[in-house]
Amino acid sequence: DSGVTQTPKHLITATGQRVTLRCSPRSGDLSVYWYQQSLDQGLQFLIQYYNGEERAKGNILERFSAQQFPDLHSELNLSSLELGDSALYFCASSVGAGPSYEQYFGPGTRLTVT
Amino acid sequence: GNSVTQMEGPVTLSEEAFLTINCTYTATGYPSLFWYVQYPGEGLQLLLKATKADDKGSNKGFEATYRKETTSFHLEKGSVQVSDSAVYFCALSERSTLTFGKGTMLLVSP
Repeated sequence: DSGVTQTPKHLITATGQRVTLRCSPRSGDLSVYWYQQSLDQGLQFLIQYYNGEERAKGNILERFSAQQFPDLHSELNLSSLELGDSALYFCASSVGAGPSYEQYFGPGTRLTVT
Repeated sequence: GNSVTQMEGPVTLSEEAFLTINCTYTATGYPSLFWYVQYPGEGLQLLLKATKADDKGSNKGFEATYRKETTSFHLEKGSVQVSDSAVYFCALSERSTLTFGKGTMLLVSP
């Protein structure tokens, strides 16, 4: 158990809908990252927050947004869903925000868009 | 941009065999390097890391050495077990975000 929790574990929804994925980092970690894992794209970085502020942005679509709240939990919002958004979405957390900090991953949320 | 290239799998071995999974990287600066492991149905677990050239990361019998001259970070284990069957990801971090390779599936048979 990494100490990172994600809810829900599974999500099935229809095209055009909007969903929210939730992540609670390990106790004491200030940085939260979101990654998408799909068969064709592999593991891709989406976005990072550090202590409530957006720190880095990767291949995140405009239909996706995220935020980190004062209690440090984070939410990833996916809207106008398409079939191609079906994937595993992982949250990770680390103590700091530099390249040498170890990132601890949650169990993931499996999103299926039908 | 940054990229990580791993050998394609699956790698199929018998128990107690020697394991090597090749990983090379491209980066503009001096990244930190990581190996993560993903067991079926689970999230990624950090296996080992190295933050500068010639550093050796090790954990649970796995080792990898940061080779700047060949831009490589190959994963090795002297004697694999059935329980090592999983997907292994090589990754680099230059600022703070991880860039992953495509993963290599390892299958170990008794």
